[in-house]
Amino acid sequence: DQQVKQNSPSLSVQEGRISILNCDYTNSMFDYFLWYKKYPAEGPTFLISISSIKDKNEDGRFTVFLNKSAKHLSLHIVPSQPGDSAVYFCAASAWSGGSNYKLTFGKGTLLTVNP
Amino acid sequence: DSGVTQTPKHLITATGQRVTLRCSPRSGDLSVYWYQQSLDQGLQFLIQYYNGEERAKGNILERFSAQQFPDLHSELNLSSLELGDSALYFCASSAPPGGPVTDTQYFGPGTRLTVL
Repeated sequence: DQQVKQNSPSLSVQEGRISILNCDYTNSMFDYFLWYKKYPAEGPTFLISISSIKDKNEDGRFTVFLNKSAKHLSLHIVPSQPGDSAVYFCAASAWSGGSNYKLTFGKGTLLTVNP
Repeated sequence: DSGVTQTPKHLITATGQRVTLRCSPRSGDLSVYWYQQSLDQGLQFLIQYYNGEERAKGNILERFSAQQFPDLHSELNLSSLELGDSALYFCASSAPPGGPVTDTQYFGPGTRLTVL
């Protein structure tokens, strides 16, 4: 049972426009959400995160929105740049005591930004 | 550069064999996590160590084991390898000593394992 779902395997956007990547989750115990970017042959790179006590977090061109009632989060990239072309993973965690922060990942969305 | 290193970068071996993957976390990070990424799959959590102790287990097979050493580096041992074990194996670290214990994990470049 997939607890974190990224239903769009791919997304294509024009340079300068907004990219919106979506993620849905089913586990109501998740209280921290993260987005990672991954280039081929590299490990995932942390982008931005949001705690469940917030509904928005912004960092430069990247904004993450969280809708707890809908169990949905999205990553907005504006303006999109060709260098943003990568696979984007949504991840969620639920504190399970002590220092346990297991991340549950979605399968990723391949973003292509066309010049 | 995340500061997490993994060796080797690539590993090709035969079915039935045993391999060891190595991970050095970011300087001082106490937590190490191992993930597996197979074709068309997201990252699957395998196991977590914190300061030398196992803290959480995910979908890790009994043929797989891991440990974290006093210098905080970690090794993932895969034995009786099968074709289906071919995947990318990532290590991540977090939790610098004295700092906040957060969920943000920093990933290494991965080890690509091919079982023939």
